[in-house]
Amino acid sequence: EAGVAQSPRYKIIEKRQSVAFWCNPISGHATLYWYQQILGQGPKLLIQFQNNGVVDDSQLPKDRFSAERLKGVDSTLKIQPAKLEDSAVYLCASSLAQGTAPSETQYFGPGTRLLVL
Amino acid sequence: AQTVTQSQPEMSVQEAETVTLSCTYDTSESDYYLFWYKQPPSRQMILVIRQEAYKQQNATENRFSVNFQKAAKSFSLKISDSQLGDAAMYFCAYTPVTASKLTFGTGTRLQVTL
Repeated sequence: EAGVAQSPRYKIIEKRQSVAFWCNPISGHATLYWYQQILGQGPKLLIQFQNNGVVDDSQLPKDRFSAERLKGVDSTLKIQPAKLEDSAVYLCASSLAQGTAPSETQYFGPGTRLLVL
Repeated sequence: AQTVTQSQPEMSVQEAETVTLSCTYDTSESDYYLFWYKQPPSRQMILVIRQEAYKQQNATENRFSVNFQKAAKSFSLKISDSQLGDAAMYFCAYTPVTASKLTFGTGTRLQVTL
């Protein structure tokens, strides 16, 4: 089965510019996650969707970050305007989970490496 | 708030030998899940092993096993018969049963030498 797809793989922008990342989860997976992984740290959850609804966005910097999951499939994460500290790898993951099902494995995509200059 | 601590930034093991990676966590929850994820240089995170807190038996997956000490809030990963392909970053992660939200540690970089 196809894995989680993400694009682009790399992006370099200047501060104050905007950028968008795209994620296509594994077919049939209800839950989709966006993580931010800063160099030298573990991933940090930004937002969690179940189908097309937001389950948890408590750690999403809403003044500059936004995300949507139209039709409960693909998702986009946007940063506008970008800051230097947004340089990180942005990981998308998906799982079968409906409701709270922490035992369901999260499958990760290859990530998008963002560099903000 | 839940926290996950990995105190070993880097570890090294010789091929065919055994290595143990440490992880401690802090939570007030009584029921939760713990995970070890592997992240090779390609950056694709892969689940290595999973432990349910209410199970006393330690999880095993082929060459990978855990030592889960609930009272001590410790969750170490043992890799037996290490192979070159085991070289990667290893992340310990936690989630309560009330949510599907992973909290990760800072990772341990494992090198495997000949």
